[in-house]
Amino acid sequence: QVLLQESGPGLVKPSQTLSLTCTVSGASISSGSFWWSWIRQPAGKGLYWIGRIYMTGSTSYNPSLRSRATISLDTSKNQFSLKLTSVTASDTAVYYCARHDGDYSGGVDYWGQGILVTVSS
Amino acid sequence: QSVLTQPPSVSGAPGQRVTISCTGSSANIGSGYDVHWYQQLPGTAPKLLIYANSNRPSGVPDRFSGSKSGTSASLVITGLQAEDEADYYCQSYDNSLSAGEVFGGGTKLTVL
Repeated sequence: QVLLQESGPGLVKPSQTLSLTCTVSGASISSGSFWWSWIRQPAGKGLYWIGRIYMTGSTSYNPSLRSRATISLDTSKNQFSLKLTSVTASDTAVYYCARHDGDYSGGVDYWGQGILVTVSS
Repeated sequence: QSVLTQPPSVSGAPGQRVTISCTGSSANIGSGYDVHWYQQLPGTAPKLLIYANSNRPSGVPDRFSGSKSGTSASLVITGLQAEDEADYYCQSYDNSLSAGEVFGGGTKLTVL
């Protein structure tokens, strides 16, 4: 059974850096035809892709967040992380980590449960 | 404003058939990129319903089907059940200035 679990602060002050970690169990983030994404969802709104990382460490970001987002891998801990700098209230959302499966043509077959991050002073 | 356009809401009575559309452009669906569909029940993470336009992961009932044509895709649910009431999202890839994974704005399905 593959499980993804987000962790990190639930409250971040404006202008600070949001840092989240996704711990993966039941699968290795450094093998297979998978890649790993962060996706967010503001309350009552739709899904918004932030960026992804491949097991090689290669990354790709949503152009609107590219200047503020960094996704990295820690293969020793089977984790991947998101850092989002200079946050504002508009960054308040539920953040999901997710696994894309190449055998599913890139569809996300596993999601974390999501973590609510509120940006407020 | 989402790159992929979905109707905000659809509804149907139990047993009926409903269709949810997902309209894109030549920069995404029309370029041949696959479309995936997700179901999101209230308070939960999305669940993969259809991948690569028309394929169902194991465990997804065959009441759910998908198709793609040109710059659009559709999700069809037949034999509507109360537990199908949820939000549905399409996803594809965009190669324009919005380059990357893109989602539709979501469609709220109400079972009457």
